Amino acid sequence: DGGITQSPKYLFRKEGQNVTLSCEQNLNHDAMYWYRQDPGQGLRLIYYSQIVNDFQKGDIAEGYSVSREKKESFPLTVTSAQKNPTAFYLCASSALLGYQETQYFGPGTRLLVL
Amino acid sequence: AQSVTQLGSHVSVSEGALVLLRCNYSSSVPPYLFWYVQYPNQGLQLLLKYTSAATLVKGINGFEAEFKKSETSFHLTKPSAHMSDAAEYFCAVSGNDKLIFGTGTRLQVFP
Repeated sequence: DGGITQSPKYLFRKEGQNVTLSCEQNLNHDAMYWYRQDPGQGLRLIYYSQIVNDFQKGDIAEGYSVSREKKESFPLTVTSAQKNPTAFYLCASSALLGYQETQYFGPGTRLLVL
Repeated sequence: AQSVTQLGSHVSVSEGALVLLRCNYSSSVPPYLFWYVQYPNQGLQLLLKYTSAATLVKGINGFEAEFKKSETSFHLTKPSAHMSDAAEYFCAVSGNDKLIFGTGTRLQVFP
């Protein structure tokens, strides 16, 4: 079955620590996205990538970093500069980057601060 | 610029009753509109998508939505609610290379 996997399901971060969230897709999609979800605020775009070795900042990129070394993988690092990282993080992909494209979502990672 | 407003953060219905979740959009170009459903601690699942081919869009699980340009609305309906429909529902509109989401509506279904 094709789909998007995210790991881990739960992640705990200590103060001053960087943590990395994994996102893998086997849909052969070119475009990938990271969203942050907070209660009552919907989803906000952190970063997105149109193609390997290219990515763009979204609306709330500060305190986060990404890489896109392989088409299937788009890991997100939550750095120590992100002062309020507790949230549910969702990865998504679409066949292409474009206005008409449908995005498909992974199961999410919940990040908690110790 | 594109935006989405979902009216009502919580909606409660009885099992078997009509479900109506409201979504109004703003778009400077003909919009692509989406409804997604999210069950607790899970990702988003696509319910349906409007692409201008037809104003009434049928989706999964018996849901449908009607695009009304004059009202800038894309409300989601289901004739008869089931307990399994309890979830959070998000309306979204395509923007420049991204989706713009509403703040969500949590649907509760009572027996």
